Amino acid sequence: KQEVTQIPAALSVPEGENLVLNCSFTDSAIYNLQWFRQDPGKGLTSLLLIQSSQREQTSGRLNASLDKSSGRSTLYIAASQPGDSATYLCAVLRSGYALNFGKGTSLLVTP
Amino acid sequence: DGGITQSPKYLFRKEGQNVTLSCEQNLNHDAMYWYRQDPGQGLRLIYYSQIVNDFQKGDIAEGYSVSREKKESFPLTVTSAQKNPTAFYLCASSIDWQSYNEQFFGPGTRLTVL
Repeated sequence: KQEVTQIPAALSVPEGENLVLNCSFTDSAIYNLQWFRQDPGKGLTSLLLIQSSQREQTSGRLNASLDKSSGRSTLYIAASQPGDSATYLCAVLRSGYALNFGKGTSLLVTP
Repeated sequence: DGGITQSPKYLFRKEGQNVTLSCEQNLNHDAMYWYRQDPGQGLRLIYYSQIVNDFQKGDIAEGYSVSREKKESFPLTVTSAQKNPTAFYLCASSIDWQSYNEQFFGPGTRLTVL
């Protein structure tokens, strides 16, 4: 069974800092990995998707990397802003149809 | 605007009642999914549908039922057999069920049992 773990569970940083969120998974036979953002009481917004054959994806201040062999992914956020405060979820695609989610990292960026 | 809509935003259910959560998408996606989110837990898959008139059980299907009569609609019924239905329910879709496809999510429905 695929287990997805996100560390840390919560993180507080001052505005302007660069930060890294970590995601690990137990079964390296994944098809892709998605990073999502969730604001309180809201749905999920897809941030980045990395195919299993890719090593990283970038979108604006976000960069996600994937190391399948070690079962790890990181989400790098550059020059953090208060508007980045949210919960960040990592999910891996298994069996071609459904995502396995981690419990998320709750990020607070203080002015 | 293309996207996924869920209604209602909030839903209250009495013991013994069945309730139906709506999910509609205008993205022309073949595949649709229902997930449940509980505090402190990751999202868990309830049901998924790869194509019209077909659907499969996910990891926690007991006490739930779905239908897929139209491509754009995938309603979820929470039956009285679901013992702990209070949760946040999220609907998602993807272009098809191929392994490389990104999943997009709706805004969610919060269900509370009174």
